[in-house]
Amino acid sequence: QQQVKQSPQSLIVQKGGISIINCAYENTAFDYFPWYQQFPGKGPALLIAIRPDVSEKKEGRFTISFNKSAKQFSLHIMDSQPGDSATYFCAASTGNAGKSTFGDGTTLTVKP
Amino acid sequence: DAGVIQSPRHEVTEMGQEVTLRCKPISGHNSLFWYRQTMMRGLELLIYFNNNVPIDDSGMPEDRFSAKMPNASFSTLKIQPSEPRDSAVYFCASTYFGGGHTEAFFGQGTRLTVV
Repeated sequence: QQQVKQSPQSLIVQKGGISIINCAYENTAFDYFPWYQQFPGKGPALLIAIRPDVSEKKEGRFTISFNKSAKQFSLHIMDSQPGDSATYFCAASTGNAGKSTFGDGTTLTVKP
Repeated sequence: DAGVIQSPRHEVTEMGQEVTLRCKPISGHNSLFWYRQTMMRGLELLIYFNNNVPIDDSGMPEDRFSAKMPNASFSTLKIQPSEPRDSAVYFCASTYFGGGHTEAFFGQGTRLTVV
């Protein structure tokens, strides 16, 4: 049973556009929701994270929106740039940030 | 700090051979994690350690897999005997766990190919 479902699987956006990736979780014990960015040949790197007591968190062009009642959270990338082209993973964890359940990933391509 | 260091970066081995993957966590971190990434199954947590002690190995696929952390600066993941279905990218990650959530840092991974 997949505990974190991510969509879409792939996304193509024009430069300057908004990229939106969605995730849903099942386990209400999750208390930390990070988003990771992964470039080919590299390990995942933390992009931004949120705790369930906050409905939104913004860092630069990246925003997480969190809906606790719906058990959903999403990543918005504003003014998307070609350098944002990567695979993005949502994740959820309980207690220890490193012990995460990952979504399947979204491959984002930003066209110039 | 150089980050989480994994070796080798690439490993090609024949089915039935023993494979050992190595990881050096970030200095000062007390939690270490081994993940496996495949196209079919995505990123899966295999095992994690707190203060060098294995806490949860429920993700280890079978007895052919074993992991050790003899000290705070070194961990190994061993597969014996290896099989073609073990081909994947294996990541090591570390974090400082002190009762709250702090960032987990991943290494660059070891790409394992078993032929």
